[in-house]
Amino acid sequence: NAGVTQTPKFQVLKTGQSMTLQCAQDMNHNSMYWYRQDPGMGLRLIYYSASEGTTDKGEVPNGYNVSRLNKREFSLRLESAAPSQTSVYFCAAVPPEFSGVVPLHFGNGTRLTVT
Amino acid sequence: KQEVTQIPAALSVPEGENLVLNCSFTDSAIYNLQWFRQDPGKGLTSLLLIQSSQREQTSGRLNASLDKSSGRSTLYIAASQPGDSATYLCAVKHSGGYQKVTFGTGTKLQVIP
Repeated sequence: NAGVTQTPKFQVLKTGQSMTLQCAQDMNHNSMYWYRQDPGMGLRLIYYSASEGTTDKGEVPNGYNVSRLNKREFSLRLESAAPSQTSVYFCAAVPPEFSGVVPLHFGNGTRLTVT
Repeated sequence: KQEVTQIPAALSVPEGENLVLNCSFTDSAIYNLQWFRQDPGKGLTSLLLIQSSQREQTSGRLNASLDKSSGRSTLYIAASQPGDSATYLCAVKHSGGYQKVTFGTGTKLQVIP
């Protein structure tokens, strides 16, 4: 199913370890987002990238870094994982003509557990 | 700060029943509102998108309405089926800014055969 692909699907880390979550889209969309989803809190925006080479902080950026190396890929890095970062992480892509008419496209998520 | 609330958090209905899911938001200055479906272990699938100038959108057995002045949206599901079992989330896109989207916490629906 073409669209937004996230890797890995599952990951267990120990406190202090680092890792990078990968996201790739094949829809040629300009904007890409990273969200985390926690029980009872909905999806919260971590970082977003309006276009290739640009990134901005969202609602909960602390403890994360991102990289938009090209139009297809938007990665999320945890430099020193903490148990509070246990969550499900979703990447989303938004087409350039997004004016509220075209919906967001989501990946299937990465389930991260930090022990 | 925009807050989006979905009540109830969980709903269980017998197959065939018509049902309504609710979404409330605190700031009426929205650009659009979108309803998503999320199946267990999956991402979000867009169901309906209503622009701020619209009152409702329909797709098959789904009908979504929007009342900006009262800060409410409803998702109506007709003749529910077991395959409709999922978590339904609403999300509002804010006017202006960087296209910030605020999500509700969802309603988990179970349709019993």
